[in-house]
Amino acid sequence: EVQLVESEGGLVQPGRSLRLSCTASGFTFGDYAMSWVRQAPGKGLEWVGFIRSKTYGGTTEYAASVKGRFTISRDDSKSIAYLQMNSLKTEDTAVYYCTRVGGSYQGPFDSWGQGTLVTVSS
Amino acid sequence: QLVLTQSPSASASLGASVKLTCTLSSGHSNYVIAWHQQQPEKGPRYLMKFNIDGTHTKGDGIPDRFSGSSSGAERYLTISNLQSEDEADYYCQTWGTGIQVFGGGTKLNVL
Repeated sequence: EVQLVESEGGLVQPGRSLRLSCTASGFTFGDYAMSWVRQAPGKGLEWVGFIRSKTYGGTTEYAASVKGRFTISRDDSKSIAYLQMNSLKTEDTAVYYCTRVGGSYQGPFDSWGQGTLVTVSS
Repeated sequence: QLVLTQSPSASASLGASVKLTCTLSSGHSNYVIAWHQQQPEKGPRYLMKFNIDGTHTKGDGIPDRFSGSSSGAERYLTISNLQSEDEADYYCQTWGTGIQVFGGGTKLNVL
């Protein structure tokens, strides 16, 4: 059974940083791209970014709203994906979901974590 | 620009069928999409990937009551024999070169 477990989020001040992790199990982690999706309170789903498998160089792509501030990385030896969030803004407040991409390069989000709440506020 | 458009809301009666629509932007009518369900106060769940040849790949445990179809740039999610637990938000998703896109979601009320 595929499982994705995000680390605890929390309250962080604007301008500060936070790193989330996503621990995966139940599948060969290195064979898949991984992605992060967020959902602001009362809003819809917003793609944040993804990282391809090492087969495709582990390259990353980001939504315009976070590009230059957020970085996704992966440690295939530990089956963990990370989301490093810098220069956080109040509008980054959201539940952050880790997702598995149904492929090593691109594809649907075929598994979801339970989500973790990040609140950016002074 | 790759955009998915969904109606904000839909409603149908218990035991009936409902067809939700997701429309691809101009020039993207051949794109593959996925459907996701988000029940109240829960995280999203992958329902299926729908290919333009009519085939689909469902997530684990997704009942046969959920099916996909398409016509031109429109993609449909049909839920038959509606149950109370089908009351949820439904999102379509697609992807292109270096980008992932969600529709705005449709809130389904089961009467």
